[in-house]
Amino acid sequence: AQKVTQAQTEISVVEKEDVTLDCVYETRDTTYYLFWYKQPPSGELVFLIRRNSFDEQNEISGRYSWNFQKSTSSFNFTITASQVVDSAVYFCALSRGPGGGNKLTFGTGTQLKVEL
Amino acid sequence: DTEVTQTPKHLVMGMTNKKSLKCEQHMGHRAMYWYKQKAKKPPELMFVYSYEKLSINESVPSRFSPECPNSSLLNLHLHALQPEDSALYLCASSQGTAYYGYTFGSGTRLTVV
Repeated sequence: AQKVTQAQTEISVVEKEDVTLDCVYETRDTTYYLFWYKQPPSGELVFLIRRNSFDEQNEISGRYSWNFQKSTSSFNFTITASQVVDSAVYFCALSRGPGGGNKLTFGTGTQLKVEL
Repeated sequence: DTEVTQTPKHLVMGMTNKKSLKCEQHMGHRAMYWYKQKAKKPPELMFVYSYEKLSINESVPSRFSPECPNSSLLNLHLHALQPEDSALYLCASSQGTAYYGYTFGSGTRLTVV
């Protein structure tokens, strides 16, 4: 069985602070994929990143960066110089590899509030 | 076109009503999904259609009836719902199986009165 844990239920920061959202996963598969989605108050889940289990290279996209560490089964997400528009619920998710079916396993989400 | 479009955005219905939620995508994706999301919870999978055939039903009550008329359209027919069915209903699509990742619609906020 697969499991995703986001231990931080809610985080509040002041604008321009850096913030890291934690994600720990469990899977018995050797091939798997990890995702982050952002859900603003409007409701749509917005895809942020997809990473496969064989690619441990960290990634940076503008103010966003992701740290994937297989040794600790973690896939953490950092927002640098946070902005009010970053306020949203962020979900980490896990899927099996090719042929592994159609299910995404979501974490419980982290509510990020960025205040002025 | 990289969107999943859901209509209506908001719906209020009585427990005796029949209504339908609609979802459309034109990305050529072959898998489509219905998710239910309660406040402050992650999305919960309801149904999966793969190549227009129902492949997963997560033991959803029969008052929810999915339909996939063609590869671009997905409907969710609602009948005799309960107040606890009030939630955000999200449609998603993917190029193939889940490892491709999903593209989500903006959802329908359903209130059952």
